[in-house]
Amino acid sequence: EPEVTQTPSHQVTQMGQEVILRCVPISNHLYFYWYRQILGQKVEFLVSFYNNEISEKSEIFDDQFSVERPDGSNFTLKIRSTKLEDSAMYFCATCPGQGYSPLHFGNGTRLTVT
Amino acid sequence: DQQVKQNSPSLSVQEGRISILNCDYTNSMFDYFLWYKKYPAEGPTFLISISSIKDKNEDGRFTVFLNKSAKHLSLHIVPSQPGDSAVYFCAASPENNAGNMLTFGGGTRLMVKP
Repeated sequence: EPEVTQTPSHQVTQMGQEVILRCVPISNHLYFYWYRQILGQKVEFLVSFYNNEISEKSEIFDDQFSVERPDGSNFTLKIRSTKLEDSAMYFCATCPGQGYSPLHFGNGTRLTVT
Repeated sequence: DQQVKQNSPSLSVQEGRISILNCDYTNSMFDYFLWYKKYPAEGPTFLISISSIKDKNEDGRFTVFLNKSAKHLSLHIVPSQPGDSAVYFCAASPENNAGNMLTFGGGTRLMVKP
């Protein structure tokens, strides 16, 4: 069964550094998302992306965050200047289309900001 | 933000018996509901969904029930198997964004004892 692939599985970075989290969507999927889960808390929506632009974003997704699909395959989440509170599991998710389609999640990247 | 709430953080069930996981929501704009299962170090895996035009959806051992008037949904697993032991999340999506921007509950850890 096709999978959403995320790299790296674990990223450790110092506060203030930039990080890029990568995701390879399922090949025929058109909608891409980032969610995160801070330890002990709920899974939270960050951003949705379709047709090379952001379609929706949450309050969490501030100016420190950006997404792009630079080469038509990878879908990336960049955090420009990491903060301690950015430490979380970041999940990429994709779905084939809009309209009652369940999201397919990757296994996540654990980001630790020290 | 408690729009989707799972009041039981954990549930223990004997193998072969029924597992019932519950979920309540407050936002009347939600009209698509999903259950995801999550193993440690993996992303959420889609299990089953239901739209608000239905009150029941069944897939093998898994059945989801929706009570719109009570803003309550439940997941029934019968018979429960040890491999079902995982964290189960319910999630909901508003009618103008079907399936795409999910609001998650806090999860219920199911333990199925052999």
